Amino acid sequence: DGGITQSPKYLFRKEGQNVTLSCEQNLNHDAMYWYRQDPGQGLRLIYYSQIVNDFQKGDIAEGYSVSREKKESFPLTVTSAQKNPTAFYLCASSPAGHGNQPQHFGDGTRLSIL
Amino acid sequence: SQQGEEDPQALSIQEGENATMNCSYKTSINNLQWYRQNSGRGLVHLILIRSNEREKHSGRLRVTLDTSKKSSSLLITASRAADTASYFCATDERENAGNMLTFGGGTRLMVKP
Repeated sequence: DGGITQSPKYLFRKEGQNVTLSCEQNLNHDAMYWYRQDPGQGLRLIYYSQIVNDFQKGDIAEGYSVSREKKESFPLTVTSAQKNPTAFYLCASSPAGHGNQPQHFGDGTRLSIL
Repeated sequence: SQQGEEDPQALSIQEGENATMNCSYKTSINNLQWYRQNSGRGLVHLILIRSNEREKHSGRLRVTLDTSKKSSSLLITASRAADTASYFCATDERENAGNMLTFGGGTRLMVKP
């Protein structure tokens, strides 16, 4: 079955530590996205990538970094510069193009501070 | 910043009743989408309505779009306990390149058996 896999499901970060969240898709989608969701809130865009080896900052990119070396993979690193990283992180993908395409989501990674 | 604002923020109904959720937005859009999120899970796409469409149906779901009022509504008919979830609207803004979406804050729906 095609889909998006996020791992791990739960992640704990120590002070000053960088952590990396994995996102893999086998839908052959060109575009991938990372969102942050705080309790009871909507989604805010962190980074997005329309094509391999290219990505752009979203609304809340500070303290995060990404790479897109393969079409299937779009890992997100939460750096020590992100002072409030506790949140639910969601990865999504969609076909490339100019809209009118739904996004497909993974089941998220919940990140907490130790 | 969030484009869409859902109303109400929370809704509690009995099984069998209809549930209506509203979404307002600020800028011109290519389309508006509705998503569902079960607790602790990812979002699932429900329905997409283009800016030149006024109404769309999918099973027990009915979505309307009024671009003059910059608003949309999602109606779930004959609700079931399994419909309990958060529902989000998302807009594909005309000024954005590509397929980026801007999400609202969501409506939390509880359907009591």
